[in-house]
Amino acid sequence: SQKIEQNSEALNIQEGKTATLTCNYTNYSPAYLQWYRQDPGRGPVFLLLIRENEKEKRKERLKVTFDTTLKQSLFHITASQPADSATYLCPQKPINDMRFGAGTRLTVKP
Amino acid sequence: NAGVTQTPKFRILKIGQSMTLQCTQDMNHNYMYWYRQDPGMGLKLIYYSVGAGITDKGEVPNGYNVSRSTTEDFPLRLELAAPSQTSVYFCASKAPGQGVTEAFFGQGTRLTVV
Repeated sequence: SQKIEQNSEALNIQEGKTATLTCNYTNYSPAYLQWYRQDPGRGPVFLLLIRENEKEKRKERLKVTFDTTLKQSLFHITASQPADSATYLCPQKPINDMRFGAGTRLTVKP
Repeated sequence: NAGVTQTPKFRILKIGQSMTLQCTQDMNHNYMYWYRQDPGMGLKLIYYSVGAGITDKGEVPNGYNVSRSTTEDFPLRLELAAPSQTSVYFCASKAPGQGVTEAFFGQGTRLTVV
């Protein structure tokens, strides 16, 4: 079946390091992948979208890549800060019946 | 812009009571969604709508009903509240565009059924 999945539930890193989160897809060739951030008790907030013909997209300390050969999108946060601690989501289905998995919970330790 | 507005923010219901969670958006978005999120878990899609008059079930529709009589409003109805419906409910909207448009979420409704 068509799936978009994140490959880890939790990631702990030290402040100042680069956090890298992964979203993989199988039996599916998405034209776009989106990334959201969710803080506890709050609704998700859109961060970045990358199209399949874009290798990379940047926004401040955030960078997203789209590798159609490896069938994955990588989400990087450079010079991470404790304020970056949150759950990051890559929607399993970004169109019509938009669905989300559990995401990856990032903790940045001072 | 107000974006997506949910009311109420908090509610305590007794088992068997009914209530309607309100959701309204002022962005003229066609797509609207209701999700629930249990503690420590991901968002689960309850119902969604691709336009006024059109609704469809998501992953966990049992115990809920929706209607979409206008583009702006997408209320979620709980008919017979059960403890299993204790959760945080999020409403979202987005413009059509096959995945290129971002979703906007409301601030959530925290519901406790006792």
